[in-house]
Amino acid sequence: DTEVTQTPKHLVMGMTNKKSLKCEQHMGHRAMYWYKQKAKKPPELMFVYSYEKLSINESVPSRFSPECPNSSLLNLHLHALQPEDSALYLCASSQGPHWDGYTFGSGTRLTVV
Amino acid sequence: GESVGLHLPTLSVQEGDNSIINCAYSNSASDYFIWYKQESGKGPQFIIDIRSNMDKRQGQRVTVLLNKTVKHLSLQIAATQPGDSAVYFCAEIGTSGSARQLTFGSGTQLTVLP
Repeated sequence: DTEVTQTPKHLVMGMTNKKSLKCEQHMGHRAMYWYKQKAKKPPELMFVYSYEKLSINESVPSRFSPECPNSSLLNLHLHALQPEDSALYLCASSQGPHWDGYTFGSGTRLTVV
Repeated sequence: GESVGLHLPTLSVQEGDNSIINCAYSNSASDYFIWYKQESGKGPQFIIDIRSNMDKRQGQRVTVLLNKTVKHLSLQIAATQPGDSAVYFCAEIGTSGSARQLTFGSGTQLTVLP
């Protein structure tokens, strides 16, 4: 299995909802990443998990809460989002924090209404 | 304002012609560079990479050139095909703290005309 799988592919949520995005990989990678991509812009790094520990938080608002329950899973919990948070959320993984080969998932298209 | 940057740089080429996509990177300490292709509704897909100790690397129909003096990267696609239509991003990787960090550059929308 050489893929990063993200679910759901599409999500519409209200500003008072709580939802979660899920990312899964079975390549034995020990670093996992969340990126946010707005339309016509490059992906921007949000969080880095290294060996299931949060190693980088790029000043992301607390309404985004990442979680890494085990080495294969990465979640992004969403609460009280704003319409401007609507974007494509991409998950990626690499063998480790010092390795350079990244595999990206297809993303979750999030719309906040 | 918000309207700045909403329009991706675009490149239109005839099918069968060669394409050249350019990118300027920002961090002189970056030592690894990747070109990604992103089709609508999909995540970035690896195309080709190059380490900073090289100035040229070739793949199948693609070539990456690196000019560290002016911090410039280019992607050449030979005999461009309709399936090459996508947004292309360059990315640079360097060490931030104790981890490697990938940063994307601005993208280019490539359209292949029949």
